[in-house]
Amino acid sequence: EVQLLESGGGLVQPGGSLRLSCAASGFTFSSYAMSWVRQAPGKGLEWVSAISGSGGSTYYADSVKGRFTISRDNSKNTLYLQMNSLRAEDTAVYYCAIKGGIAVAGSFDIWGQGTMVTVSS
Amino acid sequence: DIQLTQSPSFLSASVGDRVTITCRASQGIGSYLAWYQQKPGKAPKLLIYAASTLQSGVPSRFSGSGSGTEFTLTISSLQPEDFATYYCQQLNSYPLTFGGGTKVEIK
Repeated sequence: EVQLLESGGGLVQPGGSLRLSCAASGFTFSSYAMSWVRQAPGKGLEWVSAISGSGGSTYYADSVKGRFTISRDNSKNTLYLQMNSLRAEDTAVYYCAIKGGIAVAGSFDIWGQGTMVTVSS
Repeated sequence: DIQLTQSPSFLSASVGDRVTITCRASQGIGSYLAWYQQKPGKAPKLLIYAASTLQSGVPSRFSGSGSGTEFTLTISSLQPEDFATYYCQQLNSYPLTFGGGTKVEIK
């Protein structure tokens, strides 16, 4: 069974840092691009970042560019999101998702359960 | 960046109703559009990809259409389990973007 399990969320002060992890199982992790999507309380979905299967290509939303870094360790089947210089507006549930291949035209067909990040003093 | 505008943002409907949600892109995206359903406290679920292809396991009352800049999601006969929020997403180019969402509530 394909599974994604996020961890690393919590309460952090403005200006602080946090690293999220997404442990993947049940599929060939290195074959798929992965993405992070967030959802602020009571708000809609916001795409945050993506990374290719090899890790050689990365993409970011303007709102996090220069502050967040996406990476992956294919030997550990794990996706990461390093978040620095955190702001109150980064408060959200963070989901990792598989950016599916040709079969689903690159859509996000599998999602984790999410991890909550709260930025507050 | 490509902006997606969903309408309506809120919809009140009854069981059995036919429901249509529209998603407009600020520039042409071909058929690189997906639709997701999200229920409170849960992760989004992929319903439709490539604008009109039903994801495996999704009931046939859901359908998608459109290409270029205008897309629709239709629920032919609304069921109790369909009350949720629906999002469109463009996958044509980075940064990937979502529409603002349409909340479907019980009338």
